[in-house]
This record gives sequence, C-alpha cells and structure tokens, in this order.
Amino acid sequence: DVKVTQSSRYLVKRTGEKVFLECVQDMDHENMFWYRQDPGLGLRLIYFSYDVKMKEKGDIPEGYSVSREKKERFSLILESASTNQTSMYLCASSFYNSGTRETQYFGPGTRLLVL
Amino acid sequence: GQSLEQPSEVTAVEGAIVQINCTYQTSGFYGLSWYQQHDGGAPTFLSYNGLDGLEETGRFSSFLSRSDSYGYLLLQELQMKDSASYFCAVDSNYQLIWGAGTKLIIKP
Repeated sequence: DVKVTQSSRYLVKRTGEKVFLECVQDMDHENMFWYRQDPGLGLRLIYFSYDVKMKEKGDIPEGYSVSREKKERFSLILESASTNQTSMYLCASSFYNSGTRETQYFGPGTRLLVL
Repeated sequence: GQSLEQPSEVTAVEGAIVQINCTYQTSGFYGLSWYQQHDGGAPTFLSYNGLDGLEETGRFSSFLSRSDSYGYLLLQELQMKDSASYFCAVDSNYQLIWGAGTKLIIKP
C-alpha cells in the first residue's frame, strides 16, 4: 500500500512565524504535490516537484516555498504565516502509468490555523 | 482559463442511484479522474477515463465524452458510507486540475 505521511494533523501558529510542513512517501514516487483545500474551492495546487531538487509553481505559490532534498520528502514552507493561510494542506505523490496516468495518493492533511 | 464545473451538492436516498456531472474546459486533456473524500479524510482515487465511454468498478461507474467535454460519476445501490465529497479532476499533462467538489448527502 502506498503511504503518504504528513508531519502534523493539526497546527496552530502565530502571524509572522515561519512554518514547516513535512511530507514523506514510501513508494519511490517521482512526483510530489502540495495543495491547499478551502471550503467551496476544491484543491488548489501550490507547488509540485518531478524530481529531487526540482520544483515548479502551481496556481497559488505566493507566500510559500518548497524543498525537495530527497526523493521521498517534500516540504512546504510558509515564510511568514498570515491569517489567510489558515487552511487544510494536503500532500500527494504520484507515478505515471499507461493505464490511469496521473493517479495521486494523498496524505491525511494538516489543518493549519494562523492566529 | 481552465475550469471544471460540478454541482456543489446532491441529495439521494439510500439504495437509489445518483449521477454527478462534470463539465470541463482545459488547455490540455488526457483523461478525467474521480476522487472521493470523506469528511476529515484525504481524497482517494476512484476511477479514470482516458477514452470515451463507460468504466465500471463495482457499484461505481464513470463516463466520458471528450467531444462534449463532459463526464459523470454514477453511484448505484447507495449506502450511507457513500456520503462524501466527490471531485472530478482533469489530467492535463502530468498535473491534475480539480473541480470544487460535490457533496453527496444520503438520506435513509
């Protein structure tokens, strides 16, 4: 079974703090993704990575950065947390196959509250 | 721009059949996926349509018409455990573009 784990289920931080969200997958997947999920907006892509040390901006990268030093680990960094970054953060990993192409496997999510 | 449209909420009765529609407008298209998410849980993959037609997996079926930029998820013999949000997502060159999700409410 594919397993994607995230470092915290719940997190409370103060405005201006630097926040690190960690994601680890154990299936040697090439691709990893960070989304945020807000009610009524679905999943919005923040950043993704196709390989170690590689990153690409998604739809809403402002205020975030990422790091992928090892294949299995993809970190999301909020440089200076703001209240509008209060959200559910979901990490996913995927591999390409000819049958279902881009099937993503998600971690349990981190619910972040910024006060 | 790129967009996917699906109803925000659908209500059905236990044991019935329900269809959740998805229309899309994207710059690239390789296929349409469906994911299920229970409250407080993570999205999990349900089905994928790369070609036109119907794909069946147990009680769930998914349909795609590329010419109409349209697909649907069909859930049969609804059970209370099917109460969840369902997302359609377009596979657009190694990324997924997501709809906002449809909350399925099932009444006994």
